[in-house]
Amino acid sequence: NAGVTQTPKFQVLKTGQSMTLQCAQDMNHNSMYWYRQDPGMGLRLIYYSASEGTTDKGEVPNGYNVSRLNKREFSLRLESAAPSQTSVYFCASSGGRMNTEAFFGQGTRLTVV
Amino acid sequence: AQSVTQLDSQVPVFEEAPVELRCNYSSSVSVYLFWYVQYPNQGLQLLLKYLSGSTLVESINGFEAEFNKSQTSFHLRKPSVHISDTAEYFCAVTSSGTYKYIFGTGTRLKVLA
Repeated sequence: NAGVTQTPKFQVLKTGQSMTLQCAQDMNHNSMYWYRQDPGMGLRLIYYSASEGTTDKGEVPNGYNVSRLNKREFSLRLESAAPSQTSVYFCASSGGRMNTEAFFGQGTRLTVV
Repeated sequence: AQSVTQLDSQVPVFEEAPVELRCNYSSSVSVYLFWYVQYPNQGLQLLLKYLSGSTLVESINGFEAEFNKSQTSFHLRKPSVHISDTAEYFCAVTSSGTYKYIFGTGTRLKVLA
């Protein structure tokens, strides 16, 4: 059982380049999330999708877009990368009922130079 | 709005000594609380959770946490730590009616030989 799978694991971008981070879950979960992790700031929610067909902004959505492609997949796009977007990005999923935990992928380490 | 505070960014402790990692939350509604652990270069793994019922919850590797509604706290404790417990620990909160998990800034536990 793979759980939550993120690709790529590492990426280096130049300022202004675009890229899409992919996330897929095989647990039939309704809800999916994108977080970024920065030293001393914990995990901050970028966007989430409560269920297939819906997406909503989290705490730090500026500079990002998302697509809930289907129930399994939730992608995060950086249209024009900036050095401030250098971070570790985590995708997570949950059953959608709030009395369950979120399951996390292994993360994508992104560096913008 | 919900929030989580982890006041201790780093906690050094000697092997076999007890440890307490503090977590306080803010919420106007009933909450569900979680502790996650993150080992270097890995994703987050659930350590334990409080959903309802007994206010004392335990993990399989000797950690426990107690939900204290009056003090809005969910502190994590272990009576005797091991070197392998060295990791970063995150407290998180969610509640009915929201699909968001809000995380604290994390506490880095370093177990010394």
